[in-house]
Amino acid sequence: GNSVTQMEGPVTLSEEAFLTINCTYTATGYPSLFWYVQYPGEGLQLLLKATKADDKGSNKGFEATYRKETTSFHLEKGSVQVSDSAVYFCALSESNNDYKLSFGAGTTVTVRA
Amino acid sequence: DTAVSQTPKYLVTQMGNDKSIKCEQNLGHDTMYWYKQDSKKFLKIMFSYNNKELIINETVPNRFSPKSPDKAHLNLHINSLELGDSAVYFCASSQTGSKGYEQYFGPGTRLTVT
Repeated sequence: GNSVTQMEGPVTLSEEAFLTINCTYTATGYPSLFWYVQYPGEGLQLLLKATKADDKGSNKGFEATYRKETTSFHLEKGSVQVSDSAVYFCALSESNNDYKLSFGAGTTVTVRA
Repeated sequence: DTAVSQTPKYLVTQMGNDKSIKCEQNLGHDTMYWYKQDSKKFLKIMFSYNNKELIINETVPNRFSPKSPDKAHLNLHINSLELGDSAVYFCASSQTGSKGYEQYFGPGTRLTVT
């Protein structure tokens, strides 16, 4: 079946530090890949997505590249801000699984001023 | 305008009670979902409806019954609530055929069973 493994947190960084959250997946076909972000007390928001191999998703300074050869979709940001403190979820959906989202366990990121 | 809305935002109730959570989306999407987020933030799909038809029904106790009166609404009724039902429940929607089938989430309903 489909599954997503993401780097365990929590992660604590200083402002302007570089952030990487690793995500790898298992899928039977060609999934679409997503990063969702959950700010404290809020619902999930789509941060970025990629729908085919070698696609790069980007938004708000975050980037992730769909790497089929390593089945990975690592999230990166070059210079984090306090406002980036949140829980980040890697997820995939696939046509042979009714497009339901399979989520990773989430990584809590705290950015200190 | 809120794209996906849920009511109530907070729900505190006692064991054994029956409660409902409502979800509405104004995005014109044809598919809606319910997810459960436990205390460790882990998210799991519960149900999915496409054009009012149930298409995903994960291993969820039959005390949970979704109902979709129309494409824009998906409600979740829970009978005989148990302590383990305490969680945050998220509704989401998507459109069949949209690139990547990205899902839009509501703000969540925090259910506390005492």
